[in-house]
Amino acid sequence: EPEVTQTPSHQVTQMGQEVILRCVPISNHLYFYWYRQILGQKVEFLVSFYNNEISEKSEIFDDQFSVERPDGSNFTLKIRSTKLEDSAMYFCASRDRNYGYTFGSGTRLTVV
Amino acid sequence: QQQVKQSPQSLIVQKGGISIINCAYENTAFDYFPWYQQFPGKGPALLIAIRPDVSEKKEGRFTISFNKSAKQFSLHIMDSQPGDSATYFCALNAGANNLFFGTGTRLTVIP
Repeated sequence: EPEVTQTPSHQVTQMGQEVILRCVPISNHLYFYWYRQILGQKVEFLVSFYNNEISEKSEIFDDQFSVERPDGSNFTLKIRSTKLEDSAMYFCASRDRNYGYTFGSGTRLTVV
Repeated sequence: QQQVKQSPQSLIVQKGGISIINCAYENTAFDYFPWYQQFPGKGPALLIAIRPDVSEKKEGRFTISFNKSAKQFSLHIMDSQPGDSATYFCALNAGANNLFFGTGTRLTVIP
């Protein structure tokens, strides 16, 4: 079964450093998403991406965040200057035309 | 942001029992109502989903009941098994751009 692949599985970074989280969505999906989940809490929407541009973003997705699809397969989330409160699980998802979202296994980001 | 109210927060069920998780929403502009199952350290995985033109959908031991007028939908897990122990999230699809998740229910099935 097709999978969404995320790397790394765990990233530890110092506060103020930049991090890039990587995702390889399912190849024939057209819609891409980033969500995050702070430990023990609900899954929160960050941003959606379609046709090489952001289609919607939440208030969490401020100027410190950016997304990019640098080539035909990768989808990245960049946090420019990490804060302690950015520590969370970050999930990438991709979707087909019938609302079938598939989530990756996540990247656990720890900011120290 | 759209509000999705999910209950209970946690649920303990004996093996073989029925697990019931409920969600209520406010806005009517949703066209897809999925349930996701999440195991520790993993991403949410689609369990079952329903569209608003039907009132019930069953897949194996999992059933969604949907009440459009009451703006509620629920997940029933029949013959619950220890392997069903996970966190369950209801979600709402808001057009093409987003899934809104409920707060989650941690289910524990006791052998």
